[in-house]
Amino acid sequence: DAKTTQPTSMDCAEGRAANLPCNHSTISGNEYVYWYRQIHSQGPQYIIHGLKNNETNEMASLIITEDRKSSTLILPHATLRDTAVYYCIVRVANQGAQKLVFGQGTRLTINP
Amino acid sequence: GAVVSQHPSWVICKSGTSVKIECRSLDFQATTMFWYRQFPKQSLMLMATSNEGSKATYEQGVEKDKFLINHASLTLSTLTVTSAHPEDSSFYICSARGQRGTDTQYFGPGTRLTVL
Repeated sequence: DAKTTQPTSMDCAEGRAANLPCNHSTISGNEYVYWYRQIHSQGPQYIIHGLKNNETNEMASLIITEDRKSSTLILPHATLRDTAVYYCIVRVANQGAQKLVFGQGTRLTINP
Repeated sequence: GAVVSQHPSWVICKSGTSVKIECRSLDFQATTMFWYRQFPKQSLMLMATSNEGSKATYEQGVEKDKFLINHASLTLSTLTVTSAHPEDSSFYICSARGQRGTDTQYFGPGTRLTVL
């Protein structure tokens, strides 16, 4: 199973772009990169996912390197409500059931 | 995104009693549902995976007789914590995914269980 490595914590100023890195050097060719975030005492919220190409939606952009060994989640204009723990997850397969295994994530703090 | 609900959002019970937590997918059919547990200041830990109409698959170290999972329909899964003890106090979170293997997994808001 591919594992991910993320910085423990990051700070970003409100209104600036927040760039959250993730290393997944052992990712397999058919494994997707997913990003979720968890605001305190809530369930995780889906943000974005990708396989090879860069992806963008209303919440964020996902940049995946050509060798797929790392990726960056970009929140273009961070607000205070973006303060949360962000999880980068590579989806694994077990007994035909695709499941998400969470690491420790990055605690992102947006400062006013 | 799709909506997953949980009930109750919090529950306090006495040691030795059983507690049932419901997880519902409100606007999609969830072929597969997952149950996670999260202790304070820790990450989510997967407890079990269940497919509609079949027995749940439990992660190593999770007691299947203590944490009973029922996935009787495509929109409802329940987790029953039997004979709860204070060490079972935790944040329980369910997750649901649609019929395709590439479908996104969505999470419920969680249930805070406190066992006295």
